[in-house]
Amino acid sequence: EDKVVQSPLSLVVHEGDTVTLNCSYEVTNFRSLLWYKQEKKAPTFLFMLTSSGIEKKSGRLSSILDKKELFSILNITATQTGDSAIYLCAVEAYTSGTYKYIFGTGTRLKVLA
Amino acid sequence: KAGVTQTPRYLIKTRGQQVTLSCSPISGHRSVSWYQQTPGQGLQFLFEYFSETQRNKGNFPGRFSGRQFSNSRSEMNVSTLELGDSALYLCASSLGYRAEQYFGPGTRLTVT
Repeated sequence: EDKVVQSPLSLVVHEGDTVTLNCSYEVTNFRSLLWYKQEKKAPTFLFMLTSSGIEKKSGRLSSILDKKELFSILNITATQTGDSAIYLCAVEAYTSGTYKYIFGTGTRLKVLA
Repeated sequence: KAGVTQTPRYLIKTRGQQVTLSCSPISGHRSVSWYQQTPGQGLQFLFEYFSETQRNKGNFPGRFSGRQFSNSRSEMNVSTLELGDSALYLCASSLGYRAEQYFGPGTRLTVT
């Protein structure tokens, strides 16, 4: 059965800290891995990763994929209170002639001032 | 550019009834995907429509169905509602098939 596991489930840090969020997966016919940030509303897209070893960066956020070890990490440097959110990882897989997205349960990050 | 809009935002239904939710994608986007989010199961993919055709489907029973119109607007229908269908239903649109998705605010459905 396809699955995506995120760790840790929750994390509390202080402003300025650096955090690393993990996402491991076991899916049939992997196509891509996506990261989203969800605050009190709908998820917002952060990154889409398809190739191993190529880091994607957006400001203080960066992410990398390891297709051999089947995981991805999301790094946030110099955290701010505005980074407090649930971070979701999703894997796009191709099964039985159709694509589907499998989501992890998320990592809840709280950044304290 | 206006974002993805979903109507209604909140809905209360009784078990056994059916419900139709609507999603208007960002102008120019041709793909619409639907997701169910619950505290216990997290975010789960329902289906994706592109150019009025269902292209992808998650693991949900046939009570969950959808369609997309020629203007890319999409509707999702759930028949014979069960208590477990209570959830936040999110719609996401993208320019193309399997492209970056933009989520709407969701419809919170409560089944009593």
